[in-house]
Parts: sequence; structure tokens; C-alpha cells
Amino acid sequence: QKEVEQNSGPLSVPEGAIASLNCTYSDRGSQSFFWYRQYSGKSPELIMSIYSNGDKEDGRFTAQLNKASQYVSLLIRDSQPSDSATYLCAVLTGGGNKLTFGTGTQLKVEL
Amino acid sequence: KAGVTQTPRYLIKTRGQQVTLSCSPISGHRSVSWYQQTPGQGLQFLFEYFSETQRNKGNFPGRFSGRQFSNSRSEMNVSTLELGDSALYLCASREFDYNEQFFGPGTRLTVL
Repeated sequence: QKEVEQNSGPLSVPEGAIASLNCTYSDRGSQSFFWYRQYSGKSPELIMSIYSNGDKEDGRFTAQLNKASQYVSLLIRDSQPSDSATYLCAVLTGGGNKLTFGTGTQLKVEL
Repeated sequence: KAGVTQTPRYLIKTRGQQVTLSCSPISGHRSVSWYQQTPGQGLQFLFEYFSETQRNKGNFPGRFSGRQFSNSRSEMNVSTLELGDSALYLCASREFDYNEQFFGPGTRLTVL
């Protein structure tokens, strides 16, 4: 079992729709979770961090965490073509500050 | 604040050579981590440095090494390059009391 799992996609949504990206993790002791966005040929950009169960909203982005189910998700409301990118789920593991990444979900927002 | 900077941005080497990559963290960030990104393996943690000390190390061979200087700048070195070392090498920095890591633009290494 991989430490952090994501569907690779591509996930296609029409412009203006809600995009839902999911991630599961295996280390039950993990406490810190992050979503990064990576455009093709660029480096990852931090868009959300979440540490407590429940929802955390920032603009059009909402991160959701359920530690009992070991599940993290990212919702993007009113999706725009500029949201087309690969979204990486990352979990802080190993007792230090080692980020373990999923393989990423490619999101395509279509006009 | 200026972001994380990495030099060089692109590098072409041949098998057997060694390479040194440099990273300057965001001002005030004292922790620097290095990651390797390849299409096959994704993003993988190499090591983390804080106060010139390696605090954590990923599952990479000893050919991969790093160091951190007193001004928090960091370098990583790869010796005896192999074709499989071709990758995007990313540096990330954070403030020590916070978990959010911010990535630099990366160094694209090609080994021929």
C-alpha cells in the first residue's frame, strides 16, 4: 500500500463546476496535510494546509480532513481554465518534516 | 519577501560526473529540504537541513549528499552520476516553527 494515494486522472470538469480531488494516507499518526498545485514545467505551489478534522476554506478552495477515515480532499468551486494543473496531496510523515507526496491528480477544466 | 531561489536552473552532465546544486531559502527560513521529482517515481524526499545539521534523510544512496551553511543556504551534491539521476531537483524552505514548505523553481538535471 502506498503511503499517500491519489487518482491520477485526468479529472475533467466544465468551467464553473466544482472539482473534487481526493487523497488517502496510510500513516494513522500523521497530523499535517497539504495540497500543492503544479503547472506543467513548474514547481509545486502550496495552496492549502489542514491540520484538524473538518473543513478549511480559502477563497474558492476548501480542504476537508477526516483522520478516522485517513482521507483528505480538496474542493475547487467555480473551476476556471487556469485551475488546470496537477494537484499533489502531501502528508507530513516520519516524525520530522518529511513530506510524502501522492502521485498527483491531473485536473482539466474545459470551456 | 523573495521566494526560494535555486541555481542553476538547468544542467546537463554525463554519466560518472558529479554535480552541485544550490538553494537559497526565503529570508528567515532556517529549514531547507530537498526533493527529487521524476515521471516514474513522483516527488521523493531526499533530506532536510536545519542549523547546518541534517535532521532527516530519505531512501537514496550515499551518492546523494548535502550541506547547509550558517546563512541557511544549502547545497546538494550528486557524485558518480547515473542516467536515472535525471530529474527535477526541488528545494523547499520553511520557518522552523511552522510546517508549511515553499518550493523553489527547481534545477532540471539531465544526465547523458
